[in-house]
Amino acid sequence: DSGVTQTPKHLITATGQRVTLRCSPRSGDLSVYWYQQSLDQGLQFLIQYYNGEERAKGNILERFSAQQFPDLHSELNLSSLELGDSALYFCASSTVGGDNEQFFGPGTRLTVL
Amino acid sequence: AQSVTQPDIHITVSEGASLELRCNYSYGATPYLFWYVQSPGQGLQLLLKYFSGDTLVQGIKGFEAEFKRSQSSFNLRKPSVHWSDAAEYFCAVGAGFQKLVFGTGTRLLVSP
Repeated sequence: DSGVTQTPKHLITATGQRVTLRCSPRSGDLSVYWYQQSLDQGLQFLIQYYNGEERAKGNILERFSAQQFPDLHSELNLSSLELGDSALYFCASSTVGGDNEQFFGPGTRLTVL
Repeated sequence: AQSVTQPDIHITVSEGASLELRCNYSYGATPYLFWYVQSPGQGLQLLLKYFSGDTLVQGIKGFEAEFKRSQSSFNLRKPSVHWSDAAEYFCAVGAGFQKLVFGTGTRLLVSP
């Protein structure tokens, strides 16, 4: 158990819909990362937050957005969903400094029908 | 640009045999290097990491990896594979407090 929790574990929805994925980092970790794992794109970095502020952006679509709340949990919002958004979405957290070890949650599997 | 290459998509090893998974990286500065393992339907578990010091690093589950700067490689090894090691293995590179860039993964199959 990494200490990072993600809900829900599975999500099935239809095209055009909007969903919210939730992540709670390890206790004390200020930084949260979101990654997408799909068959065609592999594991790709989406976005990073640090202590409530966006810190880095990767290959995140404009239809996707994220935020980190004062209690440090983070949400990834996916809207106008398309079939190609079906993937496993991971959240990871890390502490400041050190060796950048990122602790991954179990992931949310999103299926868009 | 940062990149990681894992040239082997699949590898099959007999139980008890040795294992080496290859990883080559491209990174502008001193890299932080990681190996993660993902079992079917599971998240990513860190096996080991390197960011400085001894270039041979020991990890969990009997795995080790060697950082070779001259070859831009960070290969993962295990002297004797167990059936429970069957999983997908990802090499990743990153700097401090930044995103990780992952390779495409190597799926390990263990034959009896």
